[in-house]
Amino acid sequence: EPEVTQTPSHQVTQMGQEVILRCVPISNHLYFYWYRQILGQKVEFLVSFYNNEISEKSEIFDDQFSVERPDGSNFTLKIRSTKLEDSAMYFCASSPFTASSGANVLTFGAGSRLTVL
Amino acid sequence: AQTVTQSQPEMSVQEAETVTLSCTYDTSESDYYLFWYKQPPSRQMILVIRQEAYKQQNATENRFSVNFQKAAKSFSLKISDSQLGDAAMYFCAYVFSGTYKYIFGTGTRLKVLA
Repeated sequence: EPEVTQTPSHQVTQMGQEVILRCVPISNHLYFYWYRQILGQKVEFLVSFYNNEISEKSEIFDDQFSVERPDGSNFTLKIRSTKLEDSAMYFCASSPFTASSGANVLTFGAGSRLTVL
Repeated sequence: AQTVTQSQPEMSVQEAETVTLSCTYDTSESDYYLFWYKQPPSRQMILVIRQEAYKQQNATENRFSVNFQKAAKSFSLKISDSQLGDAAMYFCAYVFSGTYKYIFGTGTRLKVLA
């Protein structure tokens, strides 16, 4: 069964450093997402991406965050200058359908745990 | 604003027994979808079951079924004949039709006792 793959599985970084989290969505999917889960808290939407541009973003997704699909297969989340509160599990997801054709059933990756020291 | 509430942080069930996980949500929309996702210790969230709000019939997937009460804004998950492999964190999620932003609950950790 097709999977969404994420790398790295765990990254430790110093506050203020740049971090790039990588995702390979399912190949025929059109929509891509990043969610995050701070330890012990709910999964929160960060951003959705379609046709090489952001389609929706949350208030969490400020100027420190950016997303990119650099080569047609990878989908990356960059945090420019990490803060302690960015420590979380970051989940990538993808879906095949347009929103207008019904619910986007998301396929999630296994997550990338980011620890900011 | 839409919210999803899971009031049971943790539940236990004996193997082969039935357990029900609760979820309530709040929305002013009429066209939306509800989901249960399972997150086993390997961390990858897996879709368990989906319910379209316009459908009155409760969704079922093998041992998993939902009790969808639209007026009460309740969406509980029933797991029948529980198996050890059902042990996981279960998340209830809502998405308004036409958007991509899932709203998740805080999750219920299910333990299955042998």
